[in-house]
Amino acid sequence: QSALTQPASVSGSPGQSITISCTGTSNDVGTYNLVSWYQHHPGKAPTLIIYEGSKRPSEVSNRFSGSKSGNTASLTISGLQAEDEATYYCCSYAHTTILMFGGGTKLTVL
Amino acid sequence: QVHLLESGPGLVKPSETMSLTCTVSGGSLSSSSYYWGWIRQPPGKGLEWIGAIYYSGYTYYTPSLKSRVTISLDTSKNQFSLKLSSVTAADTAVYYCARLFFSGWLLDAFDVWGQGTMVTVSS
Repeated sequence: QSALTQPASVSGSPGQSITISCTGTSNDVGTYNLVSWYQHHPGKAPTLIIYEGSKRPSEVSNRFSGSKSGNTASLTISGLQAEDEATYYCCSYAHTTILMFGGGTKLTVL
Repeated sequence: QVHLLESGPGLVKPSETMSLTCTVSGGSLSSSSYYWGWIRQPPGKGLEWIGAIYYSGYTYYTPSLKSRVTISLDTSKNQFSLKLSSVTAADTAVYYCARLFFSGWLLDAFDVWGQGTMVTVSS
């Protein structure tokens, strides 16, 4: 089973909002409300920013939000800041593989 | 605060078995609230889930690696381990250990990660 589909890259200017999509199937994203999102800076450990589709750990900024429609989950970052530049991964519970990551989206803050 | 630290050889020969250990501090592997998992990232590629283990010893593995992977735990040392057999260059990656919480009986999200350790498969 292939990874969840994410755009390879997105970009935005400071203060703007961007949205990253994560497309799966009815065997994963479409059925289970168990999509998580991770921020990954090079050389560091990934950090959890969204879980169960739209829930945010207490230490994560409210500039990060998650949603889902059908087989596609989305991560929106509002008020872009330079430190948001990183690679973002989605992950979903999946019927066959149990857990599945997306290919990752590199965010560039212009 | 829970911390995870991976350890193991940075270089493994092709066809051999790779072994990594994750040491947990600030928390207990015996907790019934979490699974403990492994994830890897090959150079220039994305994250790949490998598998996870519960304090009871119950394990989940990703199908593509299931025939070569074993995850085990030693609660007396508060460590869990990954063994990957018959390694090839394709197994070269940064390997992360992480704590995984669940919702109902379904695996949910990784909330604490180790810093990762690079493993290179080469003769």
